[in-house]
Amino acid sequence: AQKVTQAQTEISVVEKEDVTLDCVYETRDTTYYLFWYKQPPSGELVFLIRRNSFDEQNEISGRYSWNFQKSTSSFNFTITASQVVDSAVYFCALNNEKLTFGTGTRLTIIP
Amino acid sequence: ETGVTQTPRHLVMGMTNKKSLKCEQHLGHNAMYWYKQSAKKPLELMFVYNFKEQTENNSVPSRFSPECPNSSHLFLHLHTLQPEDSALYLCASSLPGLNSGNTIYFGEGSWLTVV
Repeated sequence: AQKVTQAQTEISVVEKEDVTLDCVYETRDTTYYLFWYKQPPSGELVFLIRRNSFDEQNEISGRYSWNFQKSTSSFNFTITASQVVDSAVYFCALNNEKLTFGTGTRLTIIP
Repeated sequence: ETGVTQTPRHLVMGMTNKKSLKCEQHLGHNAMYWYKQSAKKPLELMFVYNFKEQTENNSVPSRFSPECPNSSHLFLHLHTLQPEDSALYLCASSLPGLNSGNTIYFGEGSWLTVV
């Protein structure tokens, strides 16, 4: 069975602070894929990143970075110098034959 | 502009009404999905279509009836819904074969309120 845990239900930080969203997953498969999505108040789930289980290199895209650690089954997401536009619910997801979502972390950036 | 468009964005319907949600994808995908997102609940997969054929129905009540006339369009027909069916309904699409790691792309969702 697959499971994704996002233990942080809600996080609030002041603008320009860095923030890390945690994601821990469980799977018995050796090949799998991990995703992060952003859901702003409008409702759309916006795809941010996909990472396969064989690629443990960290990735940086502008102010966003992702830390994949297979040893701890974690795929954490860090926003550097946060901005108000980063306020949203962020979902981590695990994909093998089906996409399993975590329960999401609501991030609020305070101006 | 999103590659997956949903209409209407907002819908209020009575319990005896019949309405439909529409989804169209412009990404050349062959797999389409309906998800339900209720307040304080995880995203729930409802239906999966691959090449117009339904391949998954996650024990969804028959008052929800999906239709996939072609690989670009997906409908969700709604009939005699209950207030607890009020939720955000998200359509999504991908290349077929999720075990290949294909990314699922979502639409903006249809906010449904049943009164």
